[in-house]
Amino acid sequence: DTGVSQNPRHKITKRGQNVTFRCDPISEHNRLYWYRQTLGQGPEFLTYFQNEAQLEKSRLLSDRFSAERPKGSFSTLEIQRTEQGDSAMYLCASSLDSSGANVLTFGAGSRLTVL
Amino acid sequence: GESVGLHLPTLSVQEGDNSIINCAYSNSASDYFIWYKQESGKGPQFIIDIRSNMDKRQGQRVTVLLNKTVKHLSLQIAATQPGDSAVYFCAENQPGNTPLVFGKGTRLSVIA
Repeated sequence: DTGVSQNPRHKITKRGQNVTFRCDPISEHNRLYWYRQTLGQGPEFLTYFQNEAQLEKSRLLSDRFSAERPKGSFSTLEIQRTEQGDSAMYLCASSLDSSGANVLTFGAGSRLTVL
Repeated sequence: GESVGLHLPTLSVQEGDNSIINCAYSNSASDYFIWYKQESGKGPQFIIDIRSNMDKRQGQRVTVLLNKTVKHLSLQIAATQPGDSAVYFCAENQPGNTPLVFGKGTRLSVIA
């Protein structure tokens, strides 16, 4: 297993365009998370899945954001009608559902720049 | 220390010295804590964790101390090396089935 894989690593787009990021978690992990990180800040939670069920969404996740994990394996995060404020690093993480010791393993992230 | 706005607090240490990175967490009911290291262009990487029923845990060259009375967590790195240069985040597991909540981070700069 090569860990959590994210692609693309970098995406530059014009304001108003749609973008999609993909995350392949560690295969035996049943939980998958999306976080957003801006320069100088810690990761901020966006949403997470347990298997294919989306269990929680942050208030940061506007209507323009949608995430899916159709078969409980890989996940996609789509941002519609991108805005300059969406520029950030989008981090995916996965974990085993382990009560009280939820260690997240992160991917390298997908950096979005909206012009 | 904690960051204000976009300014990340920076700790500069001489190679070979010990480093202490501090974190104030937010929820007194948090039961589990993790320190992550993030190098430039990479995702956060797990370093060490501690449960709330402990006040100290040691790893290889790293020690985490937990003071629940003042909601304070620290990471001590012994004999700091250039490869330790990175941004360090503490993360807390709050009650219920909630995701990890991250602090704002401290940049460690090792002077060779």
